[in-house]
Amino acid sequence: AQRVTQPEKLLSVFKGAPVELKCNYSYSGSPELFWYVQYSRQRLQLLLRHISRESIKGFTADLNKGETSFHLKKPFAQEEDSAMYYCALSEEGSNYKLTFGKGTLLTVNP
Amino acid sequence: DGGITQSPKYLFRKEGQNVTLSCEQNLNHDAMYWYRQDPGQGLRLIYYSQIVNDFQKGDIAEGYSVSREKKESFPLTVTSAQKNPTAFYLCASRGAAKNIQYFGAGTRLSVL
Repeated sequence: AQRVTQPEKLLSVFKGAPVELKCNYSYSGSPELFWYVQYSRQRLQLLLRHISRESIKGFTADLNKGETSFHLKKPFAQEEDSAMYYCALSEEGSNYKLTFGKGTLLTVNP
Repeated sequence: DGGITQSPKYLFRKEGQNVTLSCEQNLNHDAMYWYRQDPGQGLRLIYYSQIVNDFQKGDIAEGYSVSREKKESFPLTVTSAQKNPTAFYLCASRGAAKNIQYFGAGTRLSVL
């Protein structure tokens, strides 16, 4: 069963528009959720994780246990935000293994 | 330059051949991971190692093997039993303090 679902393979917005990348997970325990980002020609890197409760590059994500979601949001998208975004889940007692979603390719148009 | 180094950047495999992908880290991390990245599939875990001389299978271990003889090194061998090896392979490591994985630049493996 798919543990992490990112329903949009592709998402295209215009510069300055709000953007929301969706992530839903399937896990009954206490998960740890992450967003990783891969910019063109760069290595995959952590963008943010839910326990940090911080905003990175203007992005925020709130863990909603009731809806089992961890959507990534930014109020005003920039062209440099264009990248592949992966949502990932770490389960309790899993030896910190990460289960990744299939990713969403975000394109921010000028 | 600190971090995770994967080599080679590109690798070609002939039929029936085993090939080994290198992953070295100088972050003093105990845990290391190998993932396979296919278009539209995200990242899938092949093998991981929590400590030297120990490793566990991930979700798609068939046709792959690993070793962890040194803390800094976690090589992945793609054996001839792996029938569809063409993919982008990513290595990662994780320190003890935080549950954050740091990734290498990847190796792209193709079949001749």
